[in-house]
Amino acid sequence: AQKVTQAQTEISVVEKEDVTLDCVYETRDTTYYLFWYKQPPSGELVFLIRRNSFDEQNEISGRYSWNFQKSTSSFNFTITASQVVDSAVYFCALSEADGGSQGNLIFGKGTKLSVKP
Amino acid sequence: NAGVTQTPKFQVLKTGQSMTLQCAQDMNHNSMYWYRQDPGMGLRLIYYSASEGTTDKGEVPNGYNVSRLNKREFSLRLESAAPSQTSVYFCASSEFRLIYEQYFGPGTRLTVT
Repeated sequence: AQKVTQAQTEISVVEKEDVTLDCVYETRDTTYYLFWYKQPPSGELVFLIRRNSFDEQNEISGRYSWNFQKSTSSFNFTITASQVVDSAVYFCALSEADGGSQGNLIFGKGTKLSVKP
Repeated sequence: NAGVTQTPKFQVLKTGQSMTLQCAQDMNHNSMYWYRQDPGMGLRLIYYSASEGTTDKGEVPNGYNVSRLNKREFSLRLESAAPSQTSVYFCASSEFRLIYEQYFGPGTRLTVT
């Protein structure tokens, strides 16, 4: 069955610290897609990245980087030199190419990141 | 491009009242979705429309109906609102289901008293 676990419910850091948000997924499919979304205090959900199961290259975008490891079923997200504007709830999500048992995108419960000045 | 728009932004209903939440996208996406977000529960899929003319139930469809009016618009109807439907509702769209990222509207905060 599909499942996404974000074990860290809340993380608090001081500005300029690096922080890693963990995401562990479960799937029986060989073709699947992983996503990260950001939900700032204003409430909207913002798409950050999509990865397919055949592409294990790590990705860097400015201060954001993602580490995809199929061996540990993890897709972790690191923010380097965090800023107050990074404060948000971050969601990891999974979809299976064949629709899986739940037929669609499955979200983790989210990690609330607070960055203090 | 406005992306995904939702109306209204806020709504208060009394138990038993009905209402329709409207959603529209201007990205020419094929698939559209309705989610609800409750504290501690994350996002849960209510209904989705993989393509124009089709709709399917998600994880929590009870108490809701949907209409895919055309490729752009996907509405969610509460026929007889209950306090358990107090939530934030998000509409989303994607180019195709499953493979592509979803883009979300700003949400509707609904309170049922």
